[in-house]
Amino acid sequence: SQTIHQWPATLVQPVGSPLSLECTVEGTSNPNLYWYRQAAGRGLQLLFYSVGIGQISSEVPQNLSASRPQDRQFILSSKKLLLSDSGFYLCAWSKQTNQPQHFGDGTRLSIL
Amino acid sequence: EDQVTQSPEALRLQEGESSSLNCSYTVSGLRGLFWYRQDPGKGPEFLFTLYSAGEEKEKERLKATLTKKESFLHITAPKPEDSATYLCAVQASGVTGANNLFFGTGTRLTVIP
Repeated sequence: SQTIHQWPATLVQPVGSPLSLECTVEGTSNPNLYWYRQAAGRGLQLLFYSVGIGQISSEVPQNLSASRPQDRQFILSSKKLLLSDSGFYLCAWSKQTNQPQHFGDGTRLSIL
Repeated sequence: EDQVTQSPEALRLQEGESSSLNCSYTVSGLRGLFWYRQDPGKGPEFLFTLYSAGEEKEKERLKATLTKKESFLHITAPKPEDSATYLCAVQASGVTGANNLFFGTGTRLTVIP
């Protein structure tokens, strides 16, 4: 069966510091991978998605970036965090675009 | 404009008191509708996919139905462990790529023993 891992579960960072969140998927090959941000009282906002190694599409202009160095690894990064980057970040995978997405347990990011 | 609206925002039920959650949508062609359950501090857990009007799916005390404009998640004789936020997501056929999935803001269900 397939599993998705996200870490860390919680992270507290100062404004202006860098960020690296990692997500890996096991039990499948060539998955579609997604990064979302979930704000309280708002729907999930798609940040990035990838259909293959090195292929990244950005949905929202921001100071975040994503990379996919390996087939089942997806990384969310920032060079300098802003207060507005605080939130709950979720990684997800699907076999194809029109199939259900399956989510990791998320990272709660707090910027001080 | 493609959008998904869930109601009510919050629902409190007594244990055993059946009810329904609503997900109404306006999209340029429906490819699929997904229901998820999300516990506090966790990622959404996939429950059901519905593809066409009239389709129904069941899992334990949950039953999802779909019409051309909305979906219902029926909860029969709920238990306290059913307490969670239930999210609806709609995939539109008129938009290509992964950005064609639209999420509602969820219904927060609390089942009181």
